[in-house]
Amino acid sequence: EDKVVQSPLSLVVHEGDTVTLNCSYEVTNFRSLLWYKQEKKAPTFLFMLTSSGIEKKSGRLSSILDKKELSSILNITATQTGDSAIYLCAVESGSNYQLIWGAGTKLIIKP
Amino acid sequence: NAGVTQTPKFQVLKTGQSMTLQCAQDMNHNSMYWYRQDPGMGLRLIYYSASEGTTDKGEVPNGYNVSRLNKREFSLRLESAAPSQTSVYFCASTPWGGASTDTQYFGPGTRLTVL
Repeated sequence: EDKVVQSPLSLVVHEGDTVTLNCSYEVTNFRSLLWYKQEKKAPTFLFMLTSSGIEKKSGRLSSILDKKELSSILNITATQTGDSAIYLCAVESGSNYQLIWGAGTKLIIKP
Repeated sequence: NAGVTQTPKFQVLKTGQSMTLQCAQDMNHNSMYWYRQDPGMGLRLIYYSASEGTTDKGEVPNGYNVSRLNKREFSLRLESAAPSQTSVYFCASTPWGGASTDTQYFGPGTRLTVL
């Protein structure tokens, strides 16, 4: 059975700290891994990682895909209170083109 | 350009009642999806429509039906609501099916409570 596991489930840090969120997967015929940020409402897209693009960076956020370890990390440096959110990881299966979602990591940044 | 819109935003039902959740997108996307999100469970796919005129079951389709009314609209119906269907429901769309080429754009969600 395909599954995506995120860790930790929740994390509380202080502003300015660096955090690393983890996502591991067991998915048939992997196509891509996506990271989303969910604040109060709908998830918004952050990164997509594929076999041909295993590292992405945008400002203070960066993500790496490790296809050998079947995992990905999302790094946030110099965290700000606006980074507080649930971070979701999803993996696309090439078998049916559906996304399998992890349960998310709830990140709280204290001022 | 409103993106993906959903109605209603909130709904409370009694067990056994029926209702339809509406979703529309104005981005000319071909594929549309319905998810439910429960605490600690992430998003789970209920149904999806790869293109106008087609619908397929996702991971948790039982208790739901869908209609792809036209390219813009994709509705989700609960025929006889149960407390286990208490959840937040998200509609999403992509230009084409398959996230490798497209990200999913989400609506604001509908918070449904079944008593």
